[in-house]
Amino acid sequence: SAVISQKPSRDICQRGTSLTIQCQVDSQVTMMFWYRQQPGQSLTLIATANQGSEATYESGFVIDKFPISRPNLTFSTLTVSNMSPEDSSIYLCSVEDPAGGDEQFFGPGTRLTVL
Amino acid sequence: AQKVTQAQTEISVVEKEDVTLDCVYETRDTTYYLFWYKQPPSGELVFLIRRNSFDEQNEISGRYSWNFQKSTSSFNFTITASQVVDSAVYFCALSATSGTYKYIFGTGTRLKVLA
Repeated sequence: SAVISQKPSRDICQRGTSLTIQCQVDSQVTMMFWYRQQPGQSLTLIATANQGSEATYESGFVIDKFPISRPNLTFSTLTVSNMSPEDSSIYLCSVEDPAGGDEQFFGPGTRLTVL
Repeated sequence: AQKVTQAQTEISVVEKEDVTLDCVYETRDTTYYLFWYKQPPSGELVFLIRRNSFDEQNEISGRYSWNFQKSTSSFNFTITASQVVDSAVYFCALSATSGTYKYIFGTGTRLKVLA
């Protein structure tokens, strides 16, 4: 398994501002993922972030709105830019199993409220 | 197209009752993986089980059991003798694109176990 931490755990932000969420994992992993979970909804993949390459975004998500950094094998950031109330969600990062299994392990999430 | 359907939005049971959470999936891939995750009120997703498409053996882990049936494209989850601590949202997920680890999540089933 993997131990994943996220910062901040929650935040309340004003419309038009940006927030950067950090994800730290205790093992080196090639693949990290960012998900959004809107209130009462399921998880939707935003992008896949591999170390050493540009993040791959899913349909409906763009780099200008959700820039991602992946500077090393244990860390990634997701920025939510120019926020609006519709961005209020839980943002979760996950990683592939460092032991080579097929499951993903998730961080505790960042609860974002945009006023 | 790949899809995961969890038709049960919310289930309420009384403590010690058995409860089954349904998951039906769609994929054209012959190699795929199915997962169950638990999301307690704290928000973190907890990995419960992984099953690959070539292994139809049912699995039991304590009070939890899983029934995988390819013939009906179902991967159901049963909790025996439910407890209040089992109250959470449970997500079924499908990963069917080899090597990319992309998950397709169902909409989740909220389980309420009443004392």
